[in-house]
Amino acid sequence: DVVMTQSPLSLPVTLGQPASISCRSSQSLLHSDGNTYLNWFQQRPGQSPRRLIYKVSNRDSGVPDRFSGSGSGTDFTLKISRVEAEDVGVYYCMQGTHWPPWTFGQGTKVEIK
Amino acid sequence: QLVESGGGVVQPGGSLRLSCEASGFMFSNYGMHWVRQIPGKGLEWVSFIRFDESSKYYTDSTKGRFTISRDNSRSTLYLQMNSLRPEDTAVYYCAKGTLNWGSFDCWGQGTLVLVSS
Repeated sequence: DVVMTQSPLSLPVTLGQPASISCRSSQSLLHSDGNTYLNWFQQRPGQSPRRLIYKVSNRDSGVPDRFSGSGSGTDFTLKISRVEAEDVGVYYCMQGTHWPPWTFGQGTKVEIK
Repeated sequence: QLVESGGGVVQPGGSLRLSCEASGFMFSNYGMHWVRQIPGKGLEWVSFIRFDESSKYYTDSTKGRFTISRDNSRSTLYLQMNSLRPEDTAVYYCAKGTLNWGSFDCWGQGTLVLVSS
């Protein structure tokens, strides 16, 4: 199974400042079809998960452009250019290249300092 | 939109069937997943069913105990859970798979399953 490792697990940030979350996979997520199926999900307190980013860097409809995804192979990053109060929650990376199983990172809790 | 139901309290060794009613998209065209989350913990993929039920997958800890199924005429996904254990206690989400099987692009609100004597 592909192991997804996120860091940090806790990320206190100041409003208006940038934030960055790292996600590493135990093997390359490049699929034989040429795509890399690395996703980012946001889970706000008391809510179900919501997809933010798919295939490394594609933002979902309605996701603010302060969110961006990058990376390749085994190393990926989610960046928030300027953190807002509504960004508080837990962020998960997930791989959809080598399945089953589809696997998630442990989650990174973003909170306001 | 995805709406789960069927959660509740069950004793160890008992059974429960979860349902997930879909609307707003052509349910019969998409694979569907169940994902669970122990309260306060991370996300764990549980099971997947192809749009036509031709393939089904399970996480190792649920093989032989859980059965995923669907009724495309009712736009409904199911998870039959037997021989439940305390470690199955979690919020269970259904999620819509993407056509390339690489992502989940819509999630339900979740239903809580509590396995306790």
